[in-house]
Amino acid sequence: GESVGLHLPTLSVQEGDNSIINCAYSNSASDYFIWYKQESGKGPQFIIDIRSNMDKRQGQRVTVLLNKTVKHLSLQIAATQPGDSAVYFCADSSGGYQKVTFGIGTKLQVIP
Amino acid sequence: SQTIHQWPATLVQPVGSPLSLECTVEGTSNPNLYWYRQAAGRGLQLLFYSVGIGQISSEVPQNLSASRPQDRQFILSSKKLLLSDSGFYLCAWSVGSTFTFGSGTRLTVV
Repeated sequence: GESVGLHLPTLSVQEGDNSIINCAYSNSASDYFIWYKQESGKGPQFIIDIRSNMDKRQGQRVTVLLNKTVKHLSLQIAATQPGDSAVYFCADSSGGYQKVTFGIGTKLQVIP
Repeated sequence: SQTIHQWPATLVQPVGSPLSLECTVEGTSNPNLYWYRQAAGRGLQLLFYSVGIGQISSEVPQNLSASRPQDRQFILSSKKLLLSDSGFYLCAWSVGSTFTFGSGTRLTVV
């Protein structure tokens, strides 16, 4: 969904615990989903993606889950580290990837 | 390899002054190009996207405009900046499902 004019929600997690960041999208035609990590003062960086024909995809310490029925996406980070502190955005697009829409973003704070 | 260049990194401009931010992409042809804005502590707002030379889609009506004079060049402009134009501007490109952001320009309108 769009992310206009809204303050970022914050998730605080103890170092070593698992983090779960959630995202809802609104476009039923979306068929490609991406998670980005943005550190302070930098542009977003790609973390992991998933296509609509899948419901789960795993990377290094990260897992993305897709529930198309309720239009919900989540990012799970295992054994959260201080370096994971950042703002995390989900994004979705539909056929042709011409328009990629970002969610509001979630600020992850890792407590040492 | 594909790279994206965005400049300047920071910019301080007075209210009412013009703006020109430039973004260029290397190592790819016919990319989709995007301009996003991120207000402090807030999410990403899509401003413009372009699927080809001279083709610009505007997502939000405002005093900004975009142009794509060349295949790999995307320019964000304003004739007269407003205080509310302050923010972090990000250029991005995509080819197929690969989507990459530039390093951003932090614009402060004073």
